Amino acid sequence: GDQVEQSPSALSLHEGTGSALRCNFTTTMRAVQWFRKNSRGSLINLFYLASGTKENGRLKSAFDSKERYSTLHIRDAQLEDSGTYFCAAGTGGYKVVFGSGTRLLVSP
Amino acid sequence: EAAVTQSPRNKVTVTGGNVTLSCRQTNSHNYMYWYRQDTGHGLRLIHYSYGAGNLQIGDVPDGYKATRTTQEDFFLLLELASPSQTSLYFCASSLGGADYAEQFFGPGTRLTVL
Repeated sequence: GDQVEQSPSALSLHEGTGSALRCNFTTTMRAVQWFRKNSRGSLINLFYLASGTKENGRLKSAFDSKERYSTLHIRDAQLEDSGTYFCAAGTGGYKVVFGSGTRLLVSP
Repeated sequence: EAAVTQSPRNKVTVTGGNVTLSCRQTNSHNYMYWYRQDTGHGLRLIHYSYGAGNLQIGDVPDGYKATRTTQEDFFLLLELASPSQTSLYFCASSLGGADYAEQFFGPGTRLTVL
């Protein structure tokens, strides 16, 4: 079935540094979403992309349907960026598959 | 701004107990979903609906029933709760359609089955 491989599973950053998260897809996806689960357990929508790149503050996401991957770049990480990040992608209609998440810890 | 609310936010019950989780969306979306999320896993789809009175089976439906009473309201029912159903439950809504439509999530309900 459709699968998403998300990496890394865990990531530690010092404040002010940056890194990238990645999701690889086993099939062609039509769109991707990125979320952050915060300390209260709520899922915060970060990006929705059907193609190309989007940027919002210190976050930037890219989606390449043909090459079957999406990335989420975090720059100048802050303490409040800590949480678990998920990607989700769909081939169309209701069916959405989620990555297993990346636990990010930003430390001083 | 999309709005999906869930109640209760936290629930503790005992094995064999009867639990109803509620979800309401005010987005005028057609599709609503119930997911569970467990540590180390992504979200897994339990049931979904594309309109009032409609119910579709998701990927992990065993032990769960659901009912969509109106376009706004979607309920998840656990009639004989088991400890394996201890989880974080998310409701979501989307406009739906042929393309993958952006999903908007509620704040989650943490359920503990003792």
